[in-house]
Amino acid sequence: DAGVTQSPTHLIKTRGQQVTLRCSPKSGHDTVSWYQQALGQGPQFIFQYYEEEERQRGNFPDRFSGHQFPNYSSELNVNALLLGDSALYLCASSLRLGYGSPLHFGNGTRLTVT
Amino acid sequence: SQELEQSPQSLIVQEGKNLTINCTSSKTLYGLYWYKQKYGEGLIFLMMLQKGGEEKSHEKITAKLDEKKQQSSLHITASQPSHAGIYLCGAVSGNTPLVFGKGTRLSVIA
Repeated sequence: DAGVTQSPTHLIKTRGQQVTLRCSPKSGHDTVSWYQQALGQGPQFIFQYYEEEERQRGNFPDRFSGHQFPNYSSELNVNALLLGDSALYLCASSLRLGYGSPLHFGNGTRLTVT
Repeated sequence: SQELEQSPQSLIVQEGKNLTINCTSSKTLYGLYWYKQKYGEGLIFLMMLQKGGEEKSHEKITAKLDEKKQQSSLHITASQPSHAGIYLCGAVSGNTPLVFGKGTRLSVIA
């Protein structure tokens, strides 16, 4: 049973560029959440997708956008990259109807902006 | 918004020693989650607590949620090098997304 998978594992981009990160949820899960984790900090919630719609959003600018596909996989897009966007981006999946059920995390994508 | 404060920020213990990590919330906790993270990797779910006074154990790790549901502790008995990593508490309040503390970095030395 595959867990949450993320790609790529590492990425280096230049300021001003755009990036797309991908996530496949754990089998049986229908909800995907994205988090940003800066060095030495806890993960910060970006947004959550369910039924192909953004359901909740954290305090992140519109440069951060996402998408969920019919197979529940998801993408995170970041436009006009800033140096401060350098972080570990974590995808987590869960079952919507399983209120309180824990999030299952992938190993993340390490994004470096130069 | 809910804020979680973890203490200590970092901890170095000798192998075999016991240790406790605390997580204090600014609001009542409706669900408290403990995760472990190896450096630069994803989060591994450890335990979830929902009821005041609840206590759960897994191998040598025990987590408790106090009666007032605003503080949780994670206790490791007879620490081993495999326990090293970053321990994160996360919480939900109503329909809010899971929010995390800044983490406690644990090192276990021989």
